[in-house]
Amino acid sequence: DQQVKQNSPSLSVQEGRISILNCDYTNSMFDYFLWYKKYPAEGPTFLISISSIKDKNEDGRFTVFLNKSAKHLSLHIVPSQPGDSAVYFCAIYDGKLTFGTGTRLQVTL
Amino acid sequence: NAGVTQTPKFRVLKTGQSMTLLCAQDMNHEYMYWYRQDPGMGLRLIHYSVGEGTTAKGEVPDGYNVSRLKKQNFLLGLESAAPSQTSVYFCASSYFGPGSSYNEQFFGPGTRLTVL
Repeated sequence: DQQVKQNSPSLSVQEGRISILNCDYTNSMFDYFLWYKKYPAEGPTFLISISSIKDKNEDGRFTVFLNKSAKHLSLHIVPSQPGDSAVYFCAIYDGKLTFGTGTRLQVTL
Repeated sequence: NAGVTQTPKFRVLKTGQSMTLLCAQDMNHEYMYWYRQDPGMGLRLIHYSVGEGTTAKGEVPDGYNVSRLKKQNFLLGLESAAPSQTSVYFCASSYFGPGSSYNEQFFGPGTRLTVL
């Protein structure tokens, strides 16, 4: 039973627009939620995280929102840039990392 | 700093053959991990280590063995490869580990393994 779900396998957004990537989780007992970014032929790299006691964390163009009542996590990228094209994994941390299945973001010109 | 490196980058095995994947990190991290990534499955934890000489099972440990003889190295072994082990394998390391507030893991570039 998957604890972390990313229901959209892919997303296409025009350059300059907002990209919204979504993630749902099934258990409430998590300490941190993280987003990782992965380019082809490279390992994932850490992007941004949020503690379970917060509902928003912002870092430049990237903002993560946490809705605990809905058990929903989202990543907003604004404005989107072609270099943002990658696979994005959400992950939950409760002593170990559990990853979602990933969403492939394509930012078009 | 090289960060986390993995050897080899690609490998093709026949069913029943054995091999060892090597992971090395130069960040003096205590914690190291092996994951596999399969289409539609995300990354799944195979084994991990909380320090030199220690190893523990993750979510999908069957068919794999690991060793952490030196702090900077974490080896993943397949004694008798099966087609179900065709995957991309990622090694990661972190400064903090289980029990800490959270740990940012640093990943290697991956090893693409095909078992025929």
